[in-house]
This record gives sequence, structure tokens and C-alpha cells, in this order.
Amino acid sequence: QVQLQQSGPGLVKPSQTLSLTCAISGDSVSSNSAAWNWIRQSPSRGLEWLGRTYYRSKWYNDYSPSVRSRITINPDTSKNQFSLQLNSVTPEDTAVYYCAREVVATQNWFGPWGQGTLVTVSS
Amino acid sequence: DIQMTQSPSSLSASVGDRVTITCRASQSISSYLNWYQQKPGKAPKVLINAASSLQSGVPSRFSGSGSGTDFTLTISGLQPEDFATYYCQQSYTIPQTFGQGTKLEIK
Repeated sequence: QVQLQQSGPGLVKPSQTLSLTCAISGDSVSSNSAAWNWIRQSPSRGLEWLGRTYYRSKWYNDYSPSVRSRITINPDTSKNQFSLQLNSVTPEDTAVYYCAREVVATQNWFGPWGQGTLVTVSS
Repeated sequence: DIQMTQSPSSLSASVGDRVTITCRASQSISSYLNWYQQKPGKAPKVLINAASSLQSGVPSRFSGSGSGTDFTLTISGLQPEDFATYYCQQSYTIPQTFGQGTKLEIK
């Protein structure tokens, strides 16, 4: 059974960097049949896909245009986890952040998800 | 980006009712459409993928249909545990996008 466990601070100051980690059990971050995603949810923006990392003989990343200039998602094969860094945050980045596995099949879907981390951007 | 529009935004129904939620894509997404259920304080959980394929362990009262731009999620015989918020999501292209959600409430 695949499980994702998120960790990271719940409070970040404006202009600083938001950093979260998602530890994977029951699957591998290097799996050829999965991608590893970050998704956030806020009342104003709803569910918003931020980006993903995946391995297909080499590592790839895809990012949403809305955050592309500020985001980095990195795999850590030694710890079987992946991370999110979002730079130059503003109060608009306040949201519940989720990591999620994307099952890569004929058509893809997200599952399972991490437990969610409420990140508040405030001084 | 492909915009996903759900209707209605909220819905009141009773246990035993049959309800239908609609999701419309701003362009054709073939059948690259997933449905999720979210309960308060919890992460979304996939119910249906590829527009009509029921995920393992999901009750058969849930069903999905559609292709192209118009999709529906139907719940036949609502149970108390079905009162939640439902989201559609397109996996056709990056960035993957979600509908705004339909909150299903008890009448």
C-alpha cells in the first residue's frame, strides 16, 4: 500500500522560500509508472496543480506556468522522497499543500495523496 | 490552460436520491477526465478515472460518463457517507486542471 507523508513548516514569511518534503512508502520515486506531484488548495484558487517530477531513464520536471519562475521540485532517491521549493512567497501562496502520486497508465490519475500541510504566508 | 467548469456548485439531496454532477471542459479532452471525492479536512480521493472507469473499492453506485467536453458523475442511491465535495480533473494536458467543486449536502 502506497503512502505519502508530508513534512515542513506551516508558517513562512513573505519573500522567503516555502519548503516541503513528501516521503514515499510502498513505491519508489524512481518508478517508471508514476510521477510525483505537488498540488495546493485554497478558497480563492481551488485545487491548483503546481508541478511534478518523474523518472524515465532520466529525470524530468513539469511545472505550472503560474509558478514556473518560482518553483523547484526535486527527487531524493537516497531517502525515497521528493520536495517542493517555492520562492518569493506572498500571502497569495497561503494554501493547503498536498503531494500526490500520479499513476501513469493509459490515462493518468492522482492517488494516493499526502495528508496535506496548511502553509500560511505571514510576517 | 483548459478550464473545467462544474455544475451545480452546490446541491442538496436526501439519502436514497440519485444525483448527477456535470463537468464541462473548455476544449476537447477525449476521456482524460477523473472524478475525486473530498471530505472536510481530508485529501481528495479518486473515484473514477478515464471518465467512466470505477476505481477499485469504490461502490458501484458511483458512475461516470462522457467524452470530448461534457462529462457527468452520477450517484445512484445516496448514502450518508457520500455527502462531500466532488471535483473533476483533466489529465489531457499540462497544466492539469480541476473543476471548482460541487458540494453535496444533506437536505
